[in-house]
Amino acid sequence: GENVEQHPSTLSVQEGDSAVIKCTYSDSASNYFPWYKQELGKRPQLIIDIRSNVGEKKDQRIAVTLNKTAKHFSLHITETQPEDSAVYFCAARVSGGGADGLTFGKGTHLIIQP
Amino acid sequence: DSGVTQTPKHLITATGQRVTLRCSPRSGDLSVYWYQQSLDQGLQFLIQYYNGEERAKGNILERFSAQQFPDLHSELNLSSLELGDSALYFCASSGAGPDTQYFGPGTRLTVL
Repeated sequence: GENVEQHPSTLSVQEGDSAVIKCTYSDSASNYFPWYKQELGKRPQLIIDIRSNVGEKKDQRIAVTLNKTAKHFSLHITETQPEDSAVYFCAARVSGGGADGLTFGKGTHLIIQP
Repeated sequence: DSGVTQTPKHLITATGQRVTLRCSPRSGDLSVYWYQQSLDQGLQFLIQYYNGEERAKGNILERFSAQQFPDLHSELNLSSLELGDSALYFCASSGAGPDTQYFGPGTRLTVL
């Protein structure tokens, strides 16, 4: 089955700086890659996703890049703000296949230092 | 608010007991997914139902089962509970854009 590795497990950046979180996946059939943000005790919230027919997607301060050949994808957050502090999860899925559940990475605790 | 609801919010029970967690998907969504989140295992996919039928199974234990009813709400049944079953249980739903999964607020299960 699919295996998703996520790094780093903790990331501390100064407010206003950029943050990058990286994930690798094992199943070359995976074609859908969402990113979720989870604040303490709350639900995972989808912040951005990308499909394998696209190499990059941007939404304001958030961008995701995908390298299908290397089987890795990354989340980029620019001009970080205190409200960006949370745990971020990457995930992968074979869209349209029989197993439709998401396989998640272990998460990155992003800390924005004032 | 994602539009996915889960009850109860918290559940405290003893080892060996059985509990039922309930999930109502967003209006119009046909797929319901169940996930378990624990400190050591992270977020793990358990099972998916689509329009009443089981569609996919993940790392779901044999002691756990689920179903989806004609009104599309779903229930996750956990039996012979063990201390290690203590976790947050989330359900998610998806609809016309089948990829995008919206998570409910979760049920925190504590097994004593």
